[in-house]
This record gives sequence, structure tokens and C-alpha cells, in this order.
Amino acid sequence: TQLLEQSPQFLSIQEGENLTVYCNSSSVFSSLQWYRQEPGEGPVLLVTVVTGGEVKKLKRLTFQFGDARKDSSLHITAAQPGDTGLYLCAGAARNQGGSEKLVFGKGTKLTVNP
Amino acid sequence: DSGVTQTPKHLITATGQRVTLRCSPRSGDLSVYWYQQSLDQGLQFLIQYYNGEERAKGNILERFSAQQFPDLHSELNLSSLELGDSALYFCASSVGVRVPLNTEAFFGQGTRLTVV
Repeated sequence: TQLLEQSPQFLSIQEGENLTVYCNSSSVFSSLQWYRQEPGEGPVLLVTVVTGGEVKKLKRLTFQFGDARKDSSLHITAAQPGDTGLYLCAGAARNQGGSEKLVFGKGTKLTVNP
Repeated sequence: DSGVTQTPKHLITATGQRVTLRCSPRSGDLSVYWYQQSLDQGLQFLIQYYNGEERAKGNILERFSAQQFPDLHSELNLSSLELGDSALYFCASSVGVRVPLNTEAFFGQGTRLTVV
């Protein structure tokens, strides 16, 4: 069973602070995605990283895929209250037959206080 | 709005009962995925359909079943319900089969099932 461990589980910070959340596994994934989920809504895809060592930036968010494709991090610069939400990482795991399924971590619940 | 529609939004039912959750994928998407989200287990993949055929199975109990109809909408049937089945059930859709390398999965707003 492929597991993704996310840390921290909860994070409460002040507006303007920087933060990093982590997603770790003992398994190798062909790709990794980050989602943000707000209360009452489904997860929304933020980014997909595919290559080991890859870094992608989305405005104030920086995503990194580990060289061995077992871990990833999300760094937010100058956090804003609108960044509040549950951040989920998901790794692509191969099914028999060639299709893939997404294995999700339990998420990091981020609260950014004004 | 992701374009994926799930009904009902909330469902309260008693133990031992059977319920059906419905999902309409985004227009043009052929793949439908079902996930269960609970506080202690996180988001768990249940099952995937592509163009009417089952493509992948995850941690889906034998009491649960799903199907995808010719118009591509999907239903998740949950029977002999137990208290522990209380959770958010999400449907997601994508154009193709190989998520995420080729396509992005769009999630519905979910159905909150409460078993009492």
C-alpha cells in the first residue's frame, strides 16, 4: 500500500508569514499533485509535478518534487487569509491495466489569520 | 464551479439502509472516479469508470457498488449501511484514463452521508 504522509497536520499563522508543508512517502510516484480544498467544496488541483527535482511556481506558491520522486513540498510566501484551506498532496499510482489512481495524503489544514 | 454535479448534497439515513449517490461528469469527460473522505482516513479512492467500463478499484467495500451509464453519469450504491460509512463522498471526472499525466481531474462538491 502506498502511503503519503503530510506534515504538519494543522498550521495556524499570521498574514504575511511564510510557510512550508511537506508530503513524504517511502514509495516512488510517477507524478505528484497538490490540491486545495475549502469547506463544503471538492479538492481543486493546484499543480502537477512529474520530474524528480522539478520546481514549479504559481504566484506565491512554490512546489518541489523530490529528486527520488518520493516526496514533495509546498512553500507559500507572504501568506494571505485567502490561502486558508486544506492542502492535499496526491501521488499517481499505477493500476493493473495501465490506468492510474491518485493516492491522497490526509492533508494539512492551514489557517491564515488577518 | 468544476462542472461536476453531485446529488444529493446531504443524506441522512439509518443503519442497514441502502442509498444511491449520483454524479454527472463535466461535459466531454469520459472518466469518473469515486472517493470517500473521512476525518481519520482522508481521501480514499474507491473506484474508476471509463466510458461505461470499470477501470480500477481501490478500497471499495463489497457492500458498495457503482456503475457508469451510457450518458456517462455514474451512480454509487451503498448498502447495509453502518455508522462507519458516514463520510463525504466525492466524484471526480476527467477526459481520459491516465490521471494525472494527461488530464486533470475535476471534483464535485460531494455528498455528505450521515448514517444514524
